[in-house]
Amino acid sequence: GENVEQHPSTLSVQEGDSAVIKCTYSDSASNYFPWYKQELGKGPQLIIDIRSNVGEKKDQRIAVTLNKTAKHFSLHITETQPEDSAVYFCAASPPGTASKLTFGTGTRLQVTL
Amino acid sequence: NAGVTQTPKFQVLKTGQSMTLQCAQDMNHNSMYWYRQDPGMGLRLIYYSASEGTTDKGEVPNGYNVSRLNKREFSLRLESAAPSQTSVYFCASTSPRAKSETQYFGPGTRLLVL
Repeated sequence: GENVEQHPSTLSVQEGDSAVIKCTYSDSASNYFPWYKQELGKGPQLIIDIRSNVGEKKDQRIAVTLNKTAKHFSLHITETQPEDSAVYFCAASPPGTASKLTFGTGTRLQVTL
Repeated sequence: NAGVTQTPKFQVLKTGQSMTLQCAQDMNHNSMYWYRQDPGMGLRLIYYSASEGTTDKGEVPNGYNVSRLNKREFSLRLESAAPSQTSVYFCASTSPRAKSETQYFGPGTRLLVL
């Protein structure tokens, strides 16, 4: 089955700096890669996703890049703000699996003033 | 729309007790999922239901059973709770036929087994 590794497990940045979180996956057939943000006491919420036919996707201050050859994808957050502080999860989904997601272990992002 | 709702929010059980976690969605989604979240381990899939009338095991199904009651509702049952089942449980739903495969998550049920 799919295996997703996520690094780092914790990340502290100053407000206004950029943050990068990296994930690798094992199943070359995976074609859907979402990123979720989880705030304390809440369920995960999708913030951005990318499919395997696209190399990069941006949405305001967040962007995701995908390298299919190397089987890794990354989340980039620019101009970080205190409200970006949360736990972020990457995930991967092979086709034909009823949209089952395999999650990384999460990155706790702390944005300090 | 309420999205995905879960009950109860919190539960304390003694070892050996049974309970059912309830999940409902009002987005007319076909697929529903149960995950557990443990510190340092991300979210792991317990069971899923690709469509009404079908259920399949995920990564960590032992000790659990599920029922897809109808299109809206998907319940998770612990027949004999164990301390290892102390966790936060999340239900999610999606509609694979839609353009987006986004899974929408409920607020979670925090379970403590003593």
